[in-house]
Amino acid sequence: DAMVIQNPRYQVTQFGKPVTLSCSQTLNHNVMYWYQQKSSQAPKLLFHYYDKDFNNEADTPDNFQSRRPNTSFCFLDIRSPGLGDAAMYLCATSPGLTDTQYFGPGTRLTVL
Amino acid sequence: DQQVKQNSPSLSVQEGRISILNCDYTNSMFDYFLWYKKYPAEGPTFLISISSIKDKNEDGRFTVFLNKSAKHLSLHIVPSQPGDSAVYFCAASPRNYGQNFVFGPGTRLSVLP
Repeated sequence: DAMVIQNPRYQVTQFGKPVTLSCSQTLNHNVMYWYQQKSSQAPKLLFHYYDKDFNNEADTPDNFQSRRPNTSFCFLDIRSPGLGDAAMYLCATSPGLTDTQYFGPGTRLTVL
Repeated sequence: DQQVKQNSPSLSVQEGRISILNCDYTNSMFDYFLWYKKYPAEGPTFLISISSIKDKNEDGRFTVFLNKSAKHLSLHIVPSQPGDSAVYFCAASPRNYGQNFVFGPGTRLSVLP
């Protein structure tokens, strides 16, 4: 089955210790997104890649970076996690920018 | 400034009855709308979409209605089943302008047996 996979599902890190979250897809979609979702809030778009073109949302902190080494994989790097970065991180893909997005199961990040 | 609002954080409905989930938006450029369902510890799953050229789209037990003049859409689930218990997100996009989707905060639906 074509799908979006996120690893790990649960990640615990210490305050200030860099962490990387992983997303892969077998859908061969052009666009990959990273969202941050906190309890009872809407998913908040951090950035997206259209193919190799990176697009950062204006209010995404510099602490968040992303890499897309190939079509299938996309990484979210949090350089110095703070307590406020504890959240569910969702990866999504779509064929084009305005097409329906397909989400992975998410990674729940805990910052101690 | 929330461009997509789901004013009911939660909703409880009896099994077999109709569930109506509401979504309001403020940006008149939004022309494409999606509904997602999310179970705990899973990612959102796409349910149904509607374009602004339509006022209704139906898929099995799920129907989405769009009222452009009121900037309002609703998702109807008939009949509701216990497996429908989840958080439902509304998302909107100004598709003709090639921009990303904006999500609402979600409504938690509980279908009681």
